[in-house]
Amino acid sequence: EIVLTQSPGTLSLSPGERATLSCRASQSVSSSSLAWYQQKPGQAPRLLIYGASSRATGIPDRFSGSGSGTDFTLTITRLEPEDFAVYYCQQYGSSPETFGQGTKVEIK
Amino acid sequence: QVQLVQSGAEVKKPGSSVKVSCKASGGSFNNYAINWVRQAPGQGLEWMGGIIPIFGIADYAQKFQGRVTITADKSTTTAYMELSSLRSEDTAVYYCARGKEWEVHWGWFDPWGQGTLVTVSS
Repeated sequence: EIVLTQSPGTLSLSPGERATLSCRASQSVSSSSLAWYQQKPGQAPRLLIYGASSRATGIPDRFSGSGSGTDFTLTITRLEPEDFAVYYCQQYGSSPETFGQGTKVEIK
Repeated sequence: QVQLVQSGAEVKKPGSSVKVSCKASGGSFNNYAINWVRQAPGQGLEWMGGIIPIFGIADYAQKFQGRVTITADKSTTTAYMELSSLRSEDTAVYYCARGKEWEVHWGWFDPWGQGTLVTVSS
């Protein structure tokens, strides 16, 4: 199965700053079949990005995804207070679907 | 817009089974995958398996083969996940999530149910 490694584990930033989250796959993810989710405490994950770079319905344009092959990035251009959460990447191009271990974006 | 509503929290004894439901409303049910993902306390997300209700055939992660059964009732637009031979390590929040049309695999998950906490304790 494809192992996804997210870095850093924790990102300490201030509102208004730019966040760059990395997701690296142990083998190439076919057809850029990579998604990003946001999870806040006590809530279910919410889809942000699919197909590596397509924003889900209702997701603000400060969220963007990029990458292909084994290296993917989620960028939040200007952090809003509601963006402090845990972010997971997921590959769905190979069975079984797998998730990264998450990156926590916390307030500095 | 489809919504997924799950059954309530459960407390189970080791060795027993639990069955969690996931009712869909407001959108297509029969031809979209319903996947199950679990999250142990303070941990990440783990795919367990999925089903396309109209086909009624489920696929499971190897880790859970033989212990998990995923079913769907088209008449009530409800999917179920039953996990047997429970042990303390199965304590987790279990989520259902809609996946790809016509395929259990190859799709992102959206939306998600609210989650069901299953606690396994003697």
